[in-house]
Parts: sequence; C-alpha cells; structure tokens
Amino acid sequence: ETGVTQTPRHLVMGMTNKKSLKCEQHLGHNAMYWYKQSAKKPLELMFVYNFKEQTENNSVPSRFSPECPNSSHLFLHLHTLQPEDSALYLCASSPGTSGAPEQFFGPGTRLTVL
Amino acid sequence: SQQGEEDPQALSIQEGENATMNCSYKTSINNLQWYRQNSGRGLVHLILIRSNEREKHSGRLRVTLDTSKKSSSLLITASRAADTASYFCATGGEGNTPLVFGKGTRLSVIA
Repeated sequence: ETGVTQTPRHLVMGMTNKKSLKCEQHLGHNAMYWYKQSAKKPLELMFVYNFKEQTENNSVPSRFSPECPNSSHLFLHLHTLQPEDSALYLCASSPGTSGAPEQFFGPGTRLTVL
Repeated sequence: SQQGEEDPQALSIQEGENATMNCSYKTSINNLQWYRQNSGRGLVHLILIRSNEREKHSGRLRVTLDTSKKSSSLLITASRAADTASYFCATGGEGNTPLVFGKGTRLSVIA
C-alpha cells in the first residue's frame, strides 16, 4: 500500500506473554516511529528512531521495548502487558532529519491484551 | 501534548455535498498536514501546507491556513462514499520534531 508493512495485523495475547511487532519500510527513509492509537484518544507518539538511533521516548512504560537493527526495520517487543495496552499500534517512516516532514504509515497491528 | 484540535468531531453528509473540517492549534508552526485514516487502518498523508501559504489545492481537496488565528480548514468537494474516514491534522515533523496529531474528525458520506 504505502511502502510500510506491519506484521502481524492482529494479535491477541495474555498479560504474561511475550510477543513482538514488526515494521518494515521500503522507501529508503531514515526515520521510523511507533505510535499508539486508543479509542477516542489522539495518536500517541511512543518512539522515534533516526538512523537507527533512538531520539525520542515519550515516557513509554518499560514493558514496551523498541529495537531498530537498521533503517528499514523496527520492532516493538511486548512483555507483561496490561489490558489498557489494547490498541492499534502504528508504525511510520519519514525521510529523516533534513527531509520532508510527511510520514508514511503502515496498516497497523490491532493488539488485544486479555 | 496535543497540538491540533479538529472540529467537528463527527460529520455526516450526503454524497455530492462538500465537507469542511477545521483544525486549531496552539503554538507557532512551520507546516500543517492533513491525514486520512480508514477504519482500523494506517494514516495516509493528504496534503501539507507551509506557514507562508494561505491556500493549497490537491484534486478535490482544498486546505486553508490562517496563522493569525492558528487554524486550518480542509474542504472536500463533491464528496463520495469512499471519502468516509477519519481526518486528522498534524503539526511538526520537520527535523527531529515528532508529528503531533489532533483527535480527528470522523466523516461519513452517505450514498
């Protein structure tokens, strides 16, 4: 669709599970982002990576652990989540520091924590 | 912190009518962007307007920006059922600054 893919598209997990969300961008961008979208709340920025370096951590609980092995891949490792963590998790990419400010989003992972 | 605030929160119109959504923001900006999100999907970038621009067009979309009032509007002309989605304004995004989104306007276009 937009050059940003996310897997899985849907995930149901218990509070004691460990799972990972994956994002891949095929746009040659240098910046990648994780957002959380809960019902009736604005999109919340979670993490920003520029050239594989984390440049923003928006006070996210440690049960969310990001990993960016290269500029094309971004992971979000999940551990001991709470039911209130159920949301749509969106990945996005952009050219980076000196590039255009538009962001390109993946389709999201719908996460349900039981 | 939330920067953009869209209104109305929800809008329902008939196919063929025009839809207008507004966005207000709090601090000075370099640009403002509009995104569309179909239900449960990712956001799609629609249009960007820079702080030195007052109006911009893209197909059936028209965006205005009034920096003195810290507001922007998105007009969709001759709406179609496929325009049904949530629309968000966002500020920031240049350099290392993250995008900050509003809560969005949910548009329903009835065929």
